[in-house]
Amino acid sequence: EIVLTQSPGTLSLSPGERATLSCRASQSVSSSYLAWYQQKPGQGPRLLIYGASSRATGIPDRFSGSGSGTDFTLTISRLEPEDFAVYYCQQYGSSPLYTFGQGTKLEIK
Amino acid sequence: EVQLVESGGGLVQPGGSLRLSCAASGFTFSSYEMNWVRQAPGKGLEWVSYISSSGNTIYYADSVKGRFTISRDNTKNSLYLQMNSLRAEDTAVYYCARDVGGSWPRFDYWGQGNLVTVSS
Repeated sequence: EIVLTQSPGTLSLSPGERATLSCRASQSVSSSYLAWYQQKPGQGPRLLIYGASSRATGIPDRFSGSGSGTDFTLTISRLEPEDFAVYYCQQYGSSPLYTFGQGTKLEIK
Repeated sequence: EVQLVESGGGLVQPGGSLRLSCAASGFTFSSYEMNWVRQAPGKGLEWVSYISSSGNTIYYADSVKGRFTISRDNTKNSLYLQMNSLRAEDTAVYYCARDVGGSWPRFDYWGQGNLVTVSS
């Protein structure tokens, strides 16, 4: 089973700053199979990035994804007030079919 | 507009059963793979189960294998999760999610979630 470890657990930043979120896999993951989601309180998750670096439909270009192998990164170039939320990485594999990281909470400093 | 609406949750005693439904609209349901994902109170996301577009291929997380059954009715644009032998640790918000599949699998639409509480 591939385990995804996200860091940091909580990130405290101010609007306008740059956010860098990490997702590390216990084994190599195909870049095609790595996605990122945003979740706000009381809502279902929202797809941000798929294929490690492709933005989903309607996602602002301040969101970008990068990485390969075991290390992946979600970057938010200039934080807007609506970006403060919890972020999850996800991988597609085998047994289990999908796994999620434990999440990074991005909070206002 | 794509919509996924879960229903059927509620309070159930340990050992009991519950059936969740997910009504899909705004897209050709029969063309998409679907999943159930859950989130325990204050916790992260946990994938629960997958079903192919035809219903012929199904996968489960080890934590629910043998107790939960995923199914779909493409004539009714609906996804289901039959949950038996429920345990306290199954308490969570359950989401249905559309799976794009293919070369870049990802969940592009999610429902609003439905709370299942297992308690005596």
